[in-house]
Amino acid sequence: SQQGEEDPQALSIQEGENATMNCSYKTSINNLQWYRQNSGRGLVHLILIRSNEREKHSGRLRVTLDTSKKSSSLLITASRAADTASYFCATAKTGGFKTIFGAGTRLFVKA
Amino acid sequence: ETGVTQSPTHLIKTRGQQVTLRCSSQSGHNTVSWYQQALGQGPQFIFQYYREEENGRGNFPPRFSGLQFPNYSSELNVNALELDDSALYLCASSRTDMNTEAFFGQGTRLTVV
Repeated sequence: SQQGEEDPQALSIQEGENATMNCSYKTSINNLQWYRQNSGRGLVHLILIRSNEREKHSGRLRVTLDTSKKSSSLLITASRAADTASYFCATAKTGGFKTIFGAGTRLFVKA
Repeated sequence: ETGVTQSPTHLIKTRGQQVTLRCSSQSGHNTVSWYQQALGQGPQFIFQYYREEENGRGNFPPRFSGLQFPNYSSELNVNALELDDSALYLCASSRTDMNTEAFFGQGTRLTVV
């Protein structure tokens, strides 16, 4: 079973709006990562946040991590049609060797 | 461009056959992980290799096996193919085994008929 669970499963917004995706996980983690995937191809790493960090920014991306609630959120500001993709959170368990992905959020940005 | 290449991009095999998928990692990346992604799902961890040794495995049967070579290339082998093995297979390389940023290839789409 997958550790990370994204919410919502799908999100449709207009260009220029903000998009927020959430991720919940079950065990203690070393870090949490967000990836993007276009049309069933390879995944592209967006941002990594460590367990001792609470917020991180990269360009139009803002990620928060709440280890007490075992949850994270990804905010994409001023969305563009090119942001249309699937977004996955991935967690690395404390002391573990593998990265576990959730089922993803499918984002549709309408021009 | 992630610097990770996979071959072939598409493949059709018959149930019961064997298949070998290949991955070329970034130079200096001594960790490679393989994932299976069914349509509409997230990637499922198959196994990870670190310095040519398997150092972790997901919930996949032994007919899924792998190799990692000193030249930063690796293979995923699947024996006795089943229809449910149809999926996108992704390899990801990283610098260490400490769960850092991973660089993914574009994947191999395997169809078992």
